[in-house]
Amino acid sequence: EDQVTQSPEALRLQEGESSSLNCSYTVSGLRGLFWYRQDPGKGPEFLFTLYSAGEEKEKERLKATLTKKESFLHITAPKPEDSATYLCAAKGRGNEKLTFGTGTRLTIIP
Amino acid sequence: EPEVTQTPSHQVTQMGQEVILRCVPISNHLYFYWYRQILGQKVEFLVSFYNNEISEKSEIFDDQFSVERPDGSNFTLKIRSTKLEDSAMYFCASSVENSGNTIYFGEGSWLTVV
Repeated sequence: EDQVTQSPEALRLQEGESSSLNCSYTVSGLRGLFWYRQDPGKGPEFLFTLYSAGEEKEKERLKATLTKKESFLHITAPKPEDSATYLCAAKGRGNEKLTFGTGTRLTIIP
Repeated sequence: EPEVTQTPSHQVTQMGQEVILRCVPISNHLYFYWYRQILGQKVEFLVSFYNNEISEKSEIFDDQFSVERPDGSNFTLKIRSTKLEDSAMYFCASSVENSGNTIYFGEGSWLTVV
């Protein structure tokens, strides 16, 4: 059974303080590793899809990387508007579903 | 930018009543999904739908749930006899195709069963 584990559960950073969020996955035949942002009471907003180990993608202050067992979401010089829950999800071979982690709740303090 | 739209945004219903949640997926997408998120818990897969039939469903998606694409644009989730534990945010999602394409989510329908 596919499993996705995210750490830490919550992270408080000062504005401008860079850090990384971790997503560990156990998936048979990874077909995609997805990062979403979720604001309170809202739907997941797509950020990145990664397909193979070594792949990296960037968007503004965010960079996602992928290894054979983990993915990291690096946040550089975050701003208060980056405060949200960041969700990691994986899709495995033979599945149509995404398996989600529990998310990391990120708070950026001005 | 195209988006998945859902109605209603919030519904309160009595236990045992039937509920229909509606979604308009992104227009050129072929795969449609329902997920749910109970307050404070992870997002969970319910069902996927392709070519007018269910292509995969989870253990959560039992006989009280059904999905339908009644016309060329709408995609619905029906809960036949709601239970207290059905209270959750229900997300509709869609993707162009299935292999590894990004799944785009709507803003959700918050269902409260009392």
